[in-house]
Amino acid sequence: AQKITQTQPGMFVQEKEAVTLDCTYDTSDPSYGLFWYKQPSSGEMIFLIYQGSYDQQNATEGRYSLNFQKARKSANLVISASQLGDSAMYFCAMREGRTGANNLFFGTGTRLTVIP
Amino acid sequence: DTAVSQTPKYLVTQMGNDKSIKCEQNLGHDTMYWYKQDSKKFLKIMFSYNNKELIINETVPNRFSPKSPDKAHLNLHINSLELGDSAVYFCASSLRTQRNEQFFGPGTRLTVL
Repeated sequence: AQKITQTQPGMFVQEKEAVTLDCTYDTSDPSYGLFWYKQPSSGEMIFLIYQGSYDQQNATEGRYSLNFQKARKSANLVISASQLGDSAMYFCAMREGRTGANNLFFGTGTRLTVIP
Repeated sequence: DTAVSQTPKYLVTQMGNDKSIKCEQNLGHDTMYWYKQDSKKFLKIMFSYNNKELIINETVPNRFSPKSPDKAHLNLHINSLELGDSAVYFCASSLRTQRNEQFFGPGTRLTVL
């Protein structure tokens, strides 16, 4: 089974509007971390936000917030006040286990296009 | 003051050749990784390595081998390149903490002709 599922291959949002990118995950490990990365057309992978499985509150980083619903195993990324520079691929990823050389399992990504 | 750097950025080579991609991090991290991103943008772990342990993804052909001269470097050596090896290869590093956030290099686009 896929560890990370992103069901939206592409999303469009009007500039200045908010957008939610979906991510569901599958793990039996009680300790895990969830990450979102942005990959613009230039190709680099940019870390956006992190949510630990034991974190009580949803993570926020500026215009990015993570809607963490543990029972539903979802970790959706919310981008508020979209900007043209937000157009990019967005990847959800999960690390299982507490610490150590734990690899990231990535979803297939969502391509976000911000419309002026 | 680049955090994770890779060289070269682009690599074009013939089938059957042997090539290496270099990766260096100046973040003081203790774990480094190699990922492969295919033409459909799917990212998959190839290796993770710290100074004690090398973990190899079982799907990686043994033509691929990581080499770490020290904690700040993890190079990727590929023997007998095949057409299917064409992809973007990302190096990443992290510190073994609860968060274990990984920082990625800029990627190396490998094209095998």
